[in-house]
Amino acid sequence: GAVVSQHPSWVICKSGTSVKIECRSLDFQATTMFWYRQFPKQSLMLMATSNEGSKATYEQGVEKDKFLINHASLTLSTLTVTSAHPEDSSFYICSAEPSGSADTQYFGPGTRLTVL
Amino acid sequence: AQSVTQPDIHITVSEGASLELRCNYSYGATPYLFWYVQSPGQGLQLLLKYFSGDTLVQGIKGFEAEFKRSQSSFNLRKPSVHWSDAAEYFCAVGADSGGYQKVTFGTGTKLQVIP
Repeated sequence: GAVVSQHPSWVICKSGTSVKIECRSLDFQATTMFWYRQFPKQSLMLMATSNEGSKATYEQGVEKDKFLINHASLTLSTLTVTSAHPEDSSFYICSAEPSGSADTQYFGPGTRLTVL
Repeated sequence: AQSVTQPDIHITVSEGASLELRCNYSYGATPYLFWYVQSPGQGLQLLLKYFSGDTLVQGIKGFEAEFKRSQSSFNLRKPSVHWSDAAEYFCAVGADSGGYQKVTFGTGTKLQVIP
């Protein structure tokens, strides 16, 4: 139980294009989902917290117009990297917190974004 | 704001030897503490967590961790390491943030297991 999937697992795009990453909780509902970014050999940095049906809360220093988050249902959150540039290349990981259980997040396998 | 320190970036142990990964946290209240493992190409897997109660927590894969409030530590241990334990280990602290938990991760410790 408590499986989170991400799609795609790896994406390569040209500079200036936009990329959408999906995060799904497969066997539970998640009112809250989180998006992290992980640079090579570094830890996970929280980018934003996404609540179903409301606007995401972004961490300081994260551009909300560049990283668009939509949490349209209790099982799906999307992260769109708009006008991607090489410096956006990173590993993006989502997690989901089961509704009614604010103690543990379950993580997706991550999406590796490479911007050429 | 909470923070987590993992002082060891890289640790090498022999298969069958014991293991201890260090974690120190900073948080004003009683923390929620976690250990996650990340293998190449795989997502983060929760090994164990501490919220309250018994300070010695048992997790999956034979891991355990002990919460020591006086030392602000939550070290991860395993009595006998297997080659399959080679991975990156992250300690994390969670804080209540308006109905959900905001989790802060340490920088990770990469474990290498030699035959």
